[in-house]
Amino acid sequence: KNEVEQSPQNLTAQEGEFITINCSYSVGISALHWLQQHPGGGIVSLFMLSSGKKKHGRLIATINIQEKHSSLHITASHPRDSAVYICAVRPNNNDMRFGAGTRLTVKP
Amino acid sequence: DGGITQSPKYLFRKEGQNVTLSCEQNLNHDAMYWYRQDPGQGLRLIYYSQIVNDFQKGDIAEGYSVSREKKESFPLTVTSAQKNPTAFYLCASRYPGRREKLFFGSGTQLSVL
Repeated sequence: KNEVEQSPQNLTAQEGEFITINCSYSVGISALHWLQQHPGGGIVSLFMLSSGKKKHGRLIATINIQEKHSSLHITASHPRDSAVYICAVRPNNNDMRFGAGTRLTVKP
Repeated sequence: DGGITQSPKYLFRKEGQNVTLSCEQNLNHDAMYWYRQDPGQGLRLIYYSQIVNDFQKGDIAEGYSVSREKKESFPLTVTSAQKNPTAFYLCASRYPGRREKLFFGSGTQLSVL
């Protein structure tokens, strides 16, 4: 069993829909990251969470440390949000563990 | 602009050949990482380094080697012992502390001829 599980694996939405991507992990962590990977492979960092909730534009990320669960929400989705979203956790060392990613397609 | 530079973007390896992937950063980060990404799979850790002249094996280090002689540079060598090297390779660094953030290079696609 992977230490980081994401769901769903694939997600198709219509423009404007509210989107939720989930991440569950099985290890104690110091930090959780949400990343975005576009076609072509480049990865950008969206959020780092150690507790609570963060918001940036139309993106909201939450984490529940007790339940070992995080969610990434996209409000008013747009075709340019189409990408692979990756959850990564850092256990209490300097290593990183990655989920397999959620492929999001937003149709106009 | 600060960032991570990986080169080359595409690389072809012949049977029995060692190849080296370059990763350079000007972010002054101590922690650097090499990951392998196969289609439909998550990133898997090959090696990581927390400081100059120190590095640790990740989950799939067999057939790979690294060096960290300078803070800015963390090259990865794919040796002939790596029997299935075709993959997308990503280098990353981490800014530590309360504003922890990961930075990634644009990746190298390695293929076997």
